[in-house]
Amino acid sequence: GAGVSQSPSNKVTEKGKDVELRCDPISGHTALYWYRQSLGQGLEFLIYFQGNSAPDKSGLPSDRFSAERTGGSVSTLTIQRTQQEDSAVYLCASSLRGAGNTIYFGEGSWLTVV
Amino acid sequence: ELKVEQNPLFLSMQEGKNYTIYCNYSTTSDRLYWYRQDPGKSLESLFVLLSNGAVKQEGRLMASLDTKARLSTLHITAAVHDLSATYFCAVGDDKIIFGKGTRLHILP
Repeated sequence: GAGVSQSPSNKVTEKGKDVELRCDPISGHTALYWYRQSLGQGLEFLIYFQGNSAPDKSGLPSDRFSAERTGGSVSTLTIQRTQQEDSAVYLCASSLRGAGNTIYFGEGSWLTVV
Repeated sequence: ELKVEQNPLFLSMQEGKNYTIYCNYSTTSDRLYWYRQDPGKSLESLFVLLSNGAVKQEGRLMASLDTKARLSTLHITAAVHDLSATYFCAVGDDKIIFGKGTRLHILP
C-alpha cells in the first residue's frame, strides 16, 4: 500500500522567498508529524496534528513557520521569507492514534535556501 | 519538557562484537520507538516498546524498556557490516521527541 508521500522531494529557493511543503499521510492515519533534520543532525520536532484536536505547534522555530492540515488528511508546511538556516530535510510522518502504533516516515523534502 | 539522550553518539566496532546503545529520557512515558536511518534516506521503524519490561528482538537487534529507570537499550549481537547506520530512539505519548542519534560504524 501507499506510504507517506512528500512533495517536492527537492526544492532550491532564493533567500526571502516563501515555500510550501506537502505531506500526504497514509490513508486513515489520524496523527501527523513534521520534523526538521539538518545535515548530520537529529530530528527536531516542529508540529503534531491529531484528528480534529488543536495541533501542538510548540516546535515551530519562528512565526515564519506555519502548518495546516485540511480535512484531517493532507498537510502543508509553509515557510515564509526563507533564510539560509532553514536549509534542511523536512520529514513528515503519520500513524494511527492509539497504543502500539508505528510511526511511518516519508522520504522527506530537501530544502536548500541560496 | 521531555528530553531524550542517547549514548554513545558515535560507535565504531568490529564485526562479530556485541554492543549496547542507551537511551535515557526525562519524563514519564510508556511509549518508546527505535529507528534506523541510512545515509541520505528516511527513517525505518525497528521497534515500538509499550510497557515496562518490554523486550523485542529482530535478527541481531534486541530492544528493551525500563519505564521506572526511564531507560531503553538497543543491543547488537555479533555485529555485521550491514548494521552500519544511525540509530535513533524516540519517546512520547503524543508529541514524539527524538534523541540525537547514534552513528554506528561496523568495521569488516
